[in-house]
Amino acid sequence: DAGVTQSPTHLIKTRGQHVTLRCSPISGHKSVSWYQQVLGQGPQFIFQYYEKEERGRGNFPDRFSARQFPNYSSELNVNALLLGDSALYLCASSLAGTSVNTGELFFGEGSRLTVL
Amino acid sequence: AQSVAQPEDQVNVAEGNPLTVKCTYSVSGNPYLFWYVQYPNRGLQFLLKYITGDNLVKGSYGFEAEFNKSQTSFHLKKPSALVSDSALYFCAVRPRTSGTYKYIFGTGTRLKVLA
Repeated sequence: DAGVTQSPTHLIKTRGQHVTLRCSPISGHKSVSWYQQVLGQGPQFIFQYYEKEERGRGNFPDRFSARQFPNYSSELNVNALLLGDSALYLCASSLAGTSVNTGELFFGEGSRLTVL
Repeated sequence: AQSVAQPEDQVNVAEGNPLTVKCTYSVSGNPYLFWYVQYPNRGLQFLLKYITGDNLVKGSYGFEAEFNKSQTSFHLKKPSALVSDSALYFCAVRPRTSGTYKYIFGTGTRLKVLA
């Protein structure tokens, strides 16, 4: 079975532009989470979606938004890009998204965004 | 504030020797605990987790971790290191608080196993 797939793998943008990152979860997984990993740091939680509803949001500005589609795939959108948005953006899926979820996250390879 | 600390940026160990990668956390309640590994230019890969029960949990590739509630620690261990274990290791916690779905990661520890 395919794992979590993300696209694009690499992209370069300039300040002020907009970017859309895409993620397809493992088949059967209904929860998708997004994390930002800046070089030299651990992943930081951005969003979690379950059954197309936002279930959690990290400490990121409103320039960051996301959505989940009926097939459970997801998009992360970032508007008005800043230099500091340069990072590896990781998507992770899991079986469930409720408070009883104890399961591990399954991560994709990430989308590396460079903002010039 | 909730946080996870990995006090060592890098751990060097000779091949065949035991290894320990340290993790402590400051999260209320009894969080779920995880270890992940990241190879260069790759996503994170799950190693093991502690939910409840025995304080020593076993995971993938011969790794194990010891949970210590009084010290709020969850150290990763392996009895005999391999060169192929060289990678970046992340400790993560997920609070059990209802309505909280995020995982909090440490800053990572780079493990270098020397041949």
